[in-house]
Amino acid sequence: DIQMTQSPSSLSASVGDRVTITCQASQDIYNYLNWYQQKPGKAPKLLIYDASNLETGVPSRFSGSGSGTDFTFTISSLQPEDIATYYCQQYDNLPYTFGQGTKLEIK
Amino acid sequence: EVQLVESGGGLVQPGGSLRLSCAASGFTFGISWMHWVRQAPGKGLVWVSRINSHGSTTSYADSVKGRFTISRDNAKNTLYLQMNSLRVEDTAVYYCATIAGPLDYWGQGTLVTVSS
Repeated sequence: DIQMTQSPSSLSASVGDRVTITCQASQDIYNYLNWYQQKPGKAPKLLIYDASNLETGVPSRFSGSGSGTDFTFTISSLQPEDIATYYCQQYDNLPYTFGQGTKLEIK
Repeated sequence: EVQLVESGGGLVQPGGSLRLSCAASGFTFGISWMHWVRQAPGKGLVWVSRINSHGSTTSYADSVKGRFTISRDNAKNTLYLQMNSLRVEDTAVYYCATIAGPLDYWGQGTLVTVSS
């Protein structure tokens, strides 16, 4: 199975800060990577697909980059509504695997 | 409007069975590959199973292989997950999803609790 190592596991930042989360795959997954946002009690919401493509309707402050084994997710200017847990997920090989999540809090 | 609505969750004893359903609407279910993903209380997301659009090809996580069966009825726009020999560690919210960016849709989830 492909292991997805996501860091940090938690992050505290101020409104307006630039926030970066990284995800490393245990083998080459090309660009087959999603980034999800999950708020408590809700289903995950897709933000970024194919590593860098912004899902329709998602604010442009969210972005993704990377290919191969190393990926980055960025929020350019943190907003209060961005408080959530974020997950990367690879879909190159079954079983699809998720990172362990990054819990984002407001400082 | 796209909707995926799961049902069938509940409390079951270890060794018991449950059948989850996921009713789809608002998109072309019959050509969509479908997945089940679960999330134990306070934990992360774990992929469980996938089925192709015709229902002829299925895949499972090792942790559920031989106990869970994914199936679909395209005439009813419904996805199923038959769960047998349930274990305490199967306790989770179960989501059905397409996981197909940009056509990525998730249901609201149904809670399965395995406890004596």
